[in-house]
Amino acid sequence: GDSVTQMEGPVTLSEEAFLTINCTYTATGYPSLFWYVQYPGEGLQLLLKATKADDKGSNKGFEATYRKETTSFHLEKGSVQVSDSAVYFCALSEMNTGFQKLVFGTGTRLLVSP
Amino acid sequence: EAGVAQSPRYKIIEKRQSVAFWCNPISGHATLYWYQQILGQGPKLLIQFQNNGVVDDSQLPKDRFSAERLKGVDSTLKIQPAKLEDSAVYLCASSFPSQGYNEQFFGPGTRLTVL
Repeated sequence: GDSVTQMEGPVTLSEEAFLTINCTYTATGYPSLFWYVQYPGEGLQLLLKATKADDKGSNKGFEATYRKETTSFHLEKGSVQVSDSAVYFCALSEMNTGFQKLVFGTGTRLLVSP
Repeated sequence: EAGVAQSPRYKIIEKRQSVAFWCNPISGHATLYWYQQILGQGPKLLIQFQNNGVVDDSQLPKDRFSAERLKGVDSTLKIQPAKLEDSAVYLCASSFPSQGYNEQFFGPGTRLTVL
């Protein structure tokens, strides 16, 4: 079945550093791709999405581009803040009997220090 | 707009005991999902409802797990009897409308510890 692989954490950065979290996927079709974020004590929130090849999703300074040729959807941010400390999940959606089904990676914890 | 509500937030039980979790989705959301998130792993779909019908329960351990959504609104997930490996966070999510891609909104989760 479809799967998502993302880099292990934790990723530890100083404030204002550049962030990259790698994500690659395996899929038989043409899935939509997502990044979800989980802040401490809270539920998962959709951060950004891309629904077709070469689409770029962006939100709150984060970006990710759907690269079909490399089956990747790497998350980037030019200047991280302490408030970005959270766990980030890459995910893809596959259609299951006509309904969307999300498949998640294992998550990458980001720790940003002042 | 109220988000997805779950209760309890935390539960500690002994192995072989029973436990139940409750979820109330966002009003009007036809699709409801239960996920299991084991520490260090991503969420794994256990069961998906469309209104009060089951769309997918292929990864639900049916010998011990059960779920229902009788009136197509709130839902209950039950484990009976619990095993040590059931220790995890149980997440509920909902989405609208029912087919194709639509954003899933997640609740805060119930953290279960089985001793």
